[in-house]
Amino acid sequence: ETGVTQSPTHLIKTRGQQVTLRCSSQSGHNTVSWYQQALGQGPQFIFQYYREEENGRGNFPPRFSGLQFPNYSSELNVNALELDDSALYLCASSFGRGSYEQYFGPGTRLTVT
Amino acid sequence: EDQVTQSPEALRLQEGESSSLNCSYTVSGLRGLFWYRQDPGKGPEFLFTLYSAGEEKEKERLKATLTKKESFLHITAPKPEDSATYLCAAYNDMRFGAGTRLTVKP
Repeated sequence: ETGVTQSPTHLIKTRGQQVTLRCSSQSGHNTVSWYQQALGQGPQFIFQYYREEENGRGNFPPRFSGLQFPNYSSELNVNALELDDSALYLCASSFGRGSYEQYFGPGTRLTVT
Repeated sequence: EDQVTQSPEALRLQEGESSSLNCSYTVSGLRGLFWYRQDPGKGPEFLFTLYSAGEEKEKERLKATLTKKESFLHITAPKPEDSATYLCAAYNDMRFGAGTRLTVKP
């Protein structure tokens, strides 16, 4: 059984740029959730995708957007990067609509300068 | 406003010294309470889900309990490998607490 994988591991971007982060869900899972984790804080829910449709969104601006593909992998896109976007971005997969018994990937560390 | 608060922020124990971590929540219509363990530089690892007050779940040295206002993670006779940050999350909108950073000294 393959676990959740994320790419890239680390990324450095400049303010105003755009970034795409990728996630492959665990085998058999059809739901993907994305989180932002600032240093010393708990993860903050960005949004969840179930079968290619958004199924819940946290308090993040529209410049945070996502996609889920037919193989249930997912992308997180962030436009017009701000310094405060620097964080660990976590992807988690689960099975079922609205499911939160989820398994996390190792995360992507994004630094915005 | 819905909130999840964990205490203490940090806890240092000697090996074998049992203790409890607290997660208090003010979430209307709680649909589930989750506990995770997170090691430095890694994603959280799922531990338990609790759905109703009075429910308890156990795994090795860990036991999670749930009341109508809070959840406890009890650690019995901890070992150094239990050192990690423990996170709880309340499910209406998957709101996480800031975590308790546990250090177990040999």
